[in-house]
Amino acid sequence: GQQVMQIPQYQHVQEGEDFTTYCNSSTTLSNIQWYKQRPGGHPVFLIQLVKSGEVKKQKRLTFQFGEAKKNSSLHITATQTTDVGTYFCAGLDSNYQLIWGAGTKLIIKP
Amino acid sequence: ETGVTQSPTHLIKTRGQQVTLRCSSQSGHNTVSWYQQALGQGPQFIFQYYREEENGRGNFPPRFSGLQFPNYSSELNVNALELDDSALYLCASSFSGLAGGLTHVNEQFFGPGTRLTVL
Repeated sequence: GQQVMQIPQYQHVQEGEDFTTYCNSSTTLSNIQWYKQRPGGHPVFLIQLVKSGEVKKQKRLTFQFGEAKKNSSLHITATQTTDVGTYFCAGLDSNYQLIWGAGTKLIIKP
Repeated sequence: ETGVTQSPTHLIKTRGQQVTLRCSSQSGHNTVSWYQQALGQGPQFIFQYYREEENGRGNFPPRFSGLQFPNYSSELNVNALELDDSALYLCASSFSGLAGGLTHVNEQFFGPGTRLTVL
């Protein structure tokens, strides 16, 4: 079946360092959505990318959608404690179903 | 807050029992998706309802069933509960545009979830 692989599973960073998570799909996606889930919370929508090669920014967050619409990345510049949580990508497949990655957990080192 | 509510918040059942989880979607939304999230894992798609009909199903057995009502609220029913069904069950509401079919799925707004424990 269609899969979206997301790496890494965890990333430990010092506050102020950058963070990146990557998603790769086995098939072409119609769009890709990114969500953030805080510990004990539910996923919260961050952004949706639709066009091939699209890049969108939200303050310190940069989202990219690959030219082939099979991969995507989220990069956070200068992480802050408020960034802690798990970041999920979810790709819309040809059956209009969202296929979720397993998530990347951002951990700030004390 | 998203305006999506779920009930109950927590539930404890025993193996073999049946459970019904409920979700009220956000005003103006016509699509409800249900997910199962095991601890430390990403959400696993169970199924989606659009205008009261099932519009897609993940890799879950038939003992997982659902309903969507005219007001777009929804239920998830699980029969013959198994220990592995213990998880957080999330409902997500969204608006899907229709143009010759379900062509555009917008962002999903999640409820707080129901934590199901099967003993």
